This record gives sequence, C-alpha cells and structure tokens, in this order.
Amino acid sequence: DTAVSQTPKYLVTQMGNDKSIKCEQNLGHDTMYWYKQDSKKFLKIMFSYNNKELIINETVPNRFSPKSPDKAHLNLHINSLELGDSAVYFCASSLRQGNTEAFFGQGTRLTVV
Amino acid sequence: QQQVKQSPQSLIVQKGGIPIINCAYENTAFDYFPWYQQFPGKGPALLIAIRPDVSEKKEGRFTISFNKSAKQFSLHIMDSQPGDSATYFCAASEDFGNEKLTFGTGTRLTIIP
Repeated sequence: DTAVSQTPKYLVTQMGNDKSIKCEQNLGHDTMYWYKQDSKKFLKIMFSYNNKELIINETVPNRFSPKSPDKAHLNLHINSLELGDSAVYFCASSLRQGNTEAFFGQGTRLTVV
Repeated sequence: QQQVKQSPQSLIVQKGGIPIINCAYENTAFDYFPWYQQFPGKGPALLIAIRPDVSEKKEGRFTISFNKSAKQFSLHIMDSQPGDSATYFCAASEDFGNEKLTFGTGTRLTIIP
C-alpha cells in the first residue's frame, strides 16, 4: 500500500563503488523527485522528472544519474561513490508539474566507508 | 545561499504549550509556503500550506501565520502533544508552475509530558 517506496532502506558501501537506489510510486503522479538530506537534516532537491522527462537538475556531480523508465519509476544511480555522498536520499512524487504537494518515500540511508 | 531561514534549530515545550517556529525568505517570487513534518526514520509529510493571498490558515491544531510585507511565516501548534515531537521544515516555491521546493533547515521539536 506504500505510496512512494524506495529500496534499499539502508546501503553501506565502499568508496569507489557504483550503487543504485530504486523508487516507485503507485499514486499515478506525473512528477517525481530525488532529494538529499545531509547529516544536519538539510533537505535539497537534486532532480525532478515529469512524465519521464528531466525538468530540474540542480548542481549535482555527474556521478549521479537518474533514470526514469516510466512515470511511476525514478531510479538513482551513483558512480564512484565518495565519503561525502553519505546522506539520506529521499524519492518523492507530486500529482503533476506545478502541484507542489510532494509525497516522500521513507528514505535510503547511504553510508560510504 | 540559504533562501529560507528557519528558527529555532530545536525547541522543547511542555505538553499543552504552543510551540512557534519561524521562517523568513528573501525571494519575493515565492508564493507557496508549505510546512512538512518528519518523524525519525520516515520521509517528510505535508502538514499544512499557505499562499500569500491570506494572512492565516488553520487546520486542526496547526496554524500558519503569514506576513507578506515582512517576508515571514510561522507555524503554531495549539495544545501540543508528545506525539507532535518531530522535525518540522518550512519550505517555499516560486509559482504554481515551478515545483522546486526550497526547504528551511528544520526545527527539532520535543514535547515533554
């Protein structure tokens, strides 16, 4: 029944590895996002997709590559992981572009060692 | 560059008291101001939101006060309960067609019995 689900919930990996986080929403929303929450709880948008099309790409290293196979899925792939990538990553969705009520997933806590 | 400034960083209030969390913004193009509530281990969830055509909005025990000329808005929680203990984020976005939310830095609220 989870509206926005992301996997895995926890991810511990070594520096230099490549990892992916998956996100799926069953709300029928057109717009999906990735947010990063750092150790101080600061939430910042990374990417926004509308109907599989990239809308927002904040200043994020190109090691981060989102992929949206369909409008219900937005996955995040991270290459060459660095210590500074350790954070909680949240997937979110909203009904359509311009509707700013966002529904968040439970988050993926990424720890790079 | 912090576009939405939130205070205090943490707040402890006795049960039944009225915690107040304040936010200030600089971008006069912002016209949607939501508050999100986040419990430990969970994603943020929309609590209440306001647009600048009104100065106050109330939903249950939660009230947003908005001062357009001062570019400030605040969240008040009436008759606070221990279950309200969470981190609260204010946010803002530019217009109805721009779904990018800029978040404040968060307030960790603790309601003690």
